[in-house]
Amino acid sequence: GENVEQHPSTLSVQEGDSAVIKCTYSDSASNYFPWYKQELGKGPQLIIDIRSNVGEKKDQRIAVTLNKTAKHFSLHITETQPEDSAVYFCAASMRDDYKLSFGAGTTVTVRA
Amino acid sequence: DAGVIQSPRHEVTEMGQEVTLRCKPISGHNSLFWYRQTMMRGLELLIYFNNNVPIDDSGMPEDRFSAKMPNASFSTLKIQPSEPRDSAVYFCASSLGQGSTGELFFGEGSRLTVL
Repeated sequence: GENVEQHPSTLSVQEGDSAVIKCTYSDSASNYFPWYKQELGKGPQLIIDIRSNVGEKKDQRIAVTLNKTAKHFSLHITETQPEDSAVYFCAASMRDDYKLSFGAGTTVTVRA
Repeated sequence: DAGVIQSPRHEVTEMGQEVTLRCKPISGHNSLFWYRQTMMRGLELLIYFNNNVPIDDSGMPEDRFSAKMPNASFSTLKIQPSEPRDSAVYFCASSLGQGSTGELFFGEGSRLTVL
């Protein structure tokens, strides 16, 4: 099955700086890569996703890049704010496959 | 929309007791997932329903775990008998469509502690 590795496990950044989280996946057939944000005491919430026919996608301060050749994808958060503090999960799956393989998560702390 | 609703939010029980977790998916969603989250194993898919039918229960740890979806608006996850290693946060999620290549909407979770 698909194996998703996520780094780093924790990330502390100064407010206003950028944060980058990287993930690698094992199955070259995977073609859907969502990112979820989990705030304390809440369930994960989708913040952005990318499909394999696209190399980069941006939504305001967040962007995701995908390198299918290298089988890795990254989340970039610019101009970080305190409300960006949360656990972020990357995931991967194949088209029409219900099984999302999640990374282990990255705890992001934005220092004021 | 109220989102995915789970109950109870917290449950503390003693080893050997039966635990029932409940989930109301978002109206109109035809896929429902039960996940378990622990520090050691992260987010694990336990079972997936599509149109109320269990499609894949290979993630259910053992026979002590069972899940049902009697109708489109309700699902239960039951553990009988419970054990301390079952302590975790259990999430229910729903989505529109057949797979998960669309947004999964998670509930707020049920935190289970088995003493």
